Amino acid sequence: DAGVTQSPTHLIKTRGQQVTLRCSPKSGHDTVSWYQQALGQGPQFIFQYYEEEERQRGNFPDRFSGHQFPNYSSELNVNALLLGDSALYLCASSDGLAGEQYFGPGTRLTVT
Amino acid sequence: AQSVTQLDSQVPVFEEAPVELRCNYSSSVSVYLFWYVQYPNQGLQLLLKYLSGSTLVKGINGFEAEFNKSQTSFHLRKPSVHISDTAEYFCAVSPLPSGGSYIPTFGRGTSLIVHP
Repeated sequence: DAGVTQSPTHLIKTRGQQVTLRCSPKSGHDTVSWYQQALGQGPQFIFQYYEEEERQRGNFPDRFSGHQFPNYSSELNVNALLLGDSALYLCASSDGLAGEQYFGPGTRLTVT
Repeated sequence: AQSVTQLDSQVPVFEEAPVELRCNYSSSVSVYLFWYVQYPNQGLQLLLKYLSGSTLVKGINGFEAEFNKSQTSFHLRKPSVHISDTAEYFCAVSPLPSGGSYIPTFGRGTSLIVHP
C-alpha cells in the first residue's frame, strides 16, 4: 500500500519565478493538506482540500494557491517566489476532514 | 487560537537512558494532542495521540505521553532510548473538529540526540 508521495524531491528556483508541487494521497484518502516547514521550525498549515475545494486556509498570502483533482491528488502553486519561501513543503492526506493525517516525505524548495 | 511550546530545543542523552521531551500548550477550547517524529530527510510520522479517555497514552517504538489538563502539558517519555531514536520530535495540538475538520498547530520541535 503506497503511502503519500510527493514530487519533486528537491527544487531550486529563482526569485520571482513560479513553482508547482505535487502530491498523491495515501490509497483510500480523499483529503489533502499542505504545510510549510522552514528550517528549524515546525510545520505551518497552508490549506486543506476536500472534494476539490479549499476547505480551510492558514495565514498565507494569495501567492499560495492549490488544486485538488478528481483522483484526490493535489498541487500547490506558489507565484512570485521570495527568498523566504525556501522551505520543506509537506503534504498530508487523511480519510475525511477529521481523519488522522499521514505525511509525505516533502519537497525541499530552495529560492535563490 | 492554540499555541504549543516545546521547552527544549535540544535534548542530548546516552543510549539506554530514560528521556522526557516537554510540551506545554495553550488553548481556550478542548484539544486533541499529538506527538510526531521526523527522521532526517523524511516526513512526519505519528508517534501517539490523545483524543479522550485515559491520560496515559502509549505509542509506537516504546514511547508514551501523559496528558495533564491542569498543567496544560503533554510530555513525551521513553524509559530506555536507542541510537535509532535520534530525530526531531514535534508536539502538536488541534481543536476538536469543527465543521468536520481539524488542523494541528505544531511546536518548533525538540532535537533528540542519543549518544552511544
